Amino acid sequence: QKEVEQDPGPLSVPEGAIVSLNCTYSNSAFQYFMWYRQYSRKGPELLMYTYSSGNKEDGRFTAQVDKSSKYISLFIRDSQPSDSATYLCAMITAGAGSYQLTFGKGTKLSVIP
Amino acid sequence: DAMVIQNPRYQVTQFGKPVTLSCSQTLNHNVMYWYQQKSSQAPKLLFHYYDKDFNNEADTPDNFQSRRPNTSFCFLDIRSPGLGDAAMYLCATSSGQIRTDTQYFGPGTRLTVL
Repeated sequence: QKEVEQDPGPLSVPEGAIVSLNCTYSNSAFQYFMWYRQYSRKGPELLMYTYSSGNKEDGRFTAQVDKSSKYISLFIRDSQPSDSATYLCAMITAGAGSYQLTFGKGTKLSVIP
Repeated sequence: DAMVIQNPRYQVTQFGKPVTLSCSQTLNHNVMYWYQQKSSQAPKLLFHYYDKDFNNEADTPDNFQSRRPNTSFCFLDIRSPGLGDAAMYLCATSSGQIRTDTQYFGPGTRLTVL
């Protein structure tokens, strides 16, 4: 079983829809959670960073972490064609000297005008 | 105000011909990483430097080497590229402070092996 599971999609939604992207993980040592957006042929760009259970909001984006269920989500409200990209979840363990990200495989999202 | 810069953006090499990819950062971050990303796959960590301390992933082939001559620069050397090494190579940096840490990625270098 992989440490981080993420449905690769592809996911297609109409413009204006609410998008829900999810990852599950198996390692309880993961304490820091990130969502990256990666446009085609570009490097990943950090969207959201959280380290506690609950919700964190930034504009149209909301990151949700449920450590008891080992489940994280990214919600995109009022989705736009410019949101079309691959979304990668990533996690870091809490141990000292742990600077390594463990990535999900990424979900490819297309927002149709 | 580019923070993590990778050169070149596209690199074509011949099978077996050594190639070097470069990364520079203006963030003064302690940690620099090299990832390999193949199509529709998650980035795969090859190695990272914490300052001058080199940390190699167990499954990184010996064909891949890295150098970090100073804080700002890091290089990825592929000694004898094979067709399977064609991928996007991503450089990333972080401050190394775990509670506020995150990784900032460069735009990547897309390597083609002929």
